[in-house]
Amino acid sequence: EPEVTQTPSHQVTQMGQEVILRCVPISNHLYFYWYRQILGQKVEFLVSFYNNEISEKSEIFDDQFSVERPDGSNFTLKIRSTKLEDSAMYFCASSDRSPSNTGELFFGEGSRLTVL
Amino acid sequence: DQQVKQNSPSLSVQEGRISILNCDYTNSMFDYFLWYKKYPAEGPTFLISISSIKDKNEDGRFTVFLNKSAKHLSLHIVPSQPGDSAVYFCAASGGTGANSKLTFGKGITLSVRP
Repeated sequence: EPEVTQTPSHQVTQMGQEVILRCVPISNHLYFYWYRQILGQKVEFLVSFYNNEISEKSEIFDDQFSVERPDGSNFTLKIRSTKLEDSAMYFCASSDRSPSNTGELFFGEGSRLTVL
Repeated sequence: DQQVKQNSPSLSVQEGRISILNCDYTNSMFDYFLWYKKYPAEGPTFLISISSIKDKNEDGRFTVFLNKSAKHLSLHIVPSQPGDSAVYFCAASGGTGANSKLTFGKGITLSVRP
């Protein structure tokens, strides 16, 4: 069964360092997302990506964050200068349809980011 | 800004009994609702969904009920099994745009006792 894969599964970094989280969405999917879950809190939307551009982003997704689909298969989330409060589990998700068009999201297993 | 609320953080039920997980929402633009299940160290997995034009959707042991006037939905699991023990997230989408995002609740931890 096709699945969304994420790397790394866990990354520890120093505050101020750049981090890139990688995702390989399901191959025929067109919509891509990053969500995050801070420990003990809800799953929060970060950004959605469609047709090679950001279609929506949350207030969390400030100038320190960027996304890219560099080669048609990978979908990356970059945090330019990490802060302590960026520590969270980051989930990549993809869909073949818009969620508003009865499209479910398929999530990866997550990348745990720990900022020291 | 809690547009999707799961007010009970946890629920414990006996194996074989019914589990009822509740969810409330505030945004009238939401028109599609989903339940996701999450095991530790795994990503959320889709469980069941319902469109706002329906008030019930059933899939095996799982049934989702939607009460639009009350802005309330619930997930019923019957009979509950120990393998159902997980965190359950209610999510909603809607409004305009090609790919409306999902808004999640905080989740509820279900424990099914053998």
